[in-house]
Amino acid sequence: ETGVTQTPRHLVMGMTNKKSLKCEQHLGHNAMYWYKQSAKKPLELMFVYSLEERVENNSVPSRFSPECPNSSHLFLHLHTLQPEDSALYLCASSRERQGPYEQYFGPGTRLTVT
Amino acid sequence: GIQVEQSPPDLILQEGANSTLRCNFSDSVNNLQWFHQNPWGQLINLFYIPSGTKQNGRLSATTVATERYSLLYISSSQTTDSGVYFCAVKGGTGGFKTIFGAGTRLFVKA
Repeated sequence: ETGVTQTPRHLVMGMTNKKSLKCEQHLGHNAMYWYKQSAKKPLELMFVYSLEERVENNSVPSRFSPECPNSSHLFLHLHTLQPEDSALYLCASSRERQGPYEQYFGPGTRLTVT
Repeated sequence: GIQVEQSPPDLILQEGANSTLRCNFSDSVNNLQWFHQNPWGQLINLFYIPSGTKQNGRLSATTVATERYSLLYISSSQTTDSGVYFCAVKGGTGGFKTIFGAGTRLFVKA
């Protein structure tokens, strides 16, 4: 089983749709992250969860709603998105949030908002 | 917060050539990683190297923490090395947040 998996890999949705992105990690880590990667921009950290508790929310619009039901699963619920939200959404995990621990990334979900 | 600068922004190599990618950071760090993002978007861990030197096959990396830079060396480049190389750091005034550089986009020609 690969370390961090994400589904779906590709998603096209209209601005009025509701969809969810799923991330699962099989590494026994306690911290999970959502990043957004837009064209020609650095990776932007969106949310951080540590032991299922949200510890960072970096000024992300409320149309993005994360959920972490347990330390292995992370969701990103999407509703009434805008075309500028089209991007690659990457999930990552690390052993702990604090401390010098490596982050491991999933393959990403490429989202297109029409 | 901590600033991360990568150079060069773009690099084109002939297959078999060697190259050096650089990452400068503006504050002390306790975590530095190099990643390769392949054409499908997957970020692959190359090195975890907050200090010192490591080698893995044709790739090696050196971080001089006291001078706030890290270098990634690619020897005998192959077309499969194409993609974007990111440096990411944690520490300094950034606290627990990982800060990514803008990346170096590498294209290796056959």
